[in-house]
Amino acid sequence: ILNVEQSPQSLHVQEGDSTNFTCSFPSSNFYALHWYRWETAKSPEALFVMTLNGDEKKKGRISATLNTKEGYSYLYIKGSQPEDSATYLCASDYGQNFVFGPGTRLSVLP
Amino acid sequence: EAQVTQNPRYLITVTGKKLTVTCSQNMNHEYMSWYRQDPGLGLRQIYYSMNVEVTDKGDVPEGYKVSRKEKRNFPLILESPSPNQTSLYFCASSSAGTETYEQYFGPGTRLTVT
Repeated sequence: ILNVEQSPQSLHVQEGDSTNFTCSFPSSNFYALHWYRWETAKSPEALFVMTLNGDEKKKGRISATLNTKEGYSYLYIKGSQPEDSATYLCASDYGQNFVFGPGTRLSVLP
Repeated sequence: EAQVTQNPRYLITVTGKKLTVTCSQNMNHEYMSWYRQDPGLGLRQIYYSMNVEVTDKGDVPEGYKVSRKEKRNFPLILESPSPNQTSLYFCASSSAGTETYEQYFGPGTRLTVT
C-alpha cells in the first residue's frame, strides 16, 4: 500500500504569520498531486491539482509547489487569517487511485 | 447548483443488516469514488469508478460493494455490516480526462454499526 505523509501533524500560528506544510509521496507511477482544505463539519474542498515537476499554483494568499522527482509538495499560506484554520490534506493520484495523507491541522490564533 | 449528495447523512444499524448509502452528482462527471475517514487516519479510498459499468477497488474494498449503472449515481453497499465499518464516509466525483480534475465531495455519511 502506498503511503503519503504530511508534516507537521498540527500547527498553531498567530494571525499574520506565514506558514508552510509538507506532503511527501511515492513518486513512481505518479500522475498528479491534489491539495484540499477541510473545515470541521464540512466536506473537503479542492485547492490545487498539480501534475508537472516544478509546478506552482496560487490562489489568493495560498500557494503550492511540486517536486515529482523527489516526491514532495509544499503548501504555503501568507499572512494567515483565523478563517484559514482547517485541516489541509494532500492526495497523490496514481491514475484515479487516490492516496491521501493524514492532514495538517492548522489553527490561526487572532 | 453543482453538487454531490449522499443519503442518509447519519445511520445507526446493527451487525449483519444490509444497507446502501446513495451518492448522486449533477455535474455529468465520469469519475466517482468512495472514501472512509477514521480518526488518526487519512481518507482511504474504498472503490472508484471511471465511468458507467467500470469500477475498481481502492485501498480498503473488503466488506463493500458498489455499482455504476448510471453516470450520476454510485451507491455503496454493505452486504453484512460489521462494527469495524463504523466510520465517516465520503463520496466524491470529478471530470476525468481534463487538466484540472479536482474532486467534489459530498457532505458525508456517518455510519455506526453496533
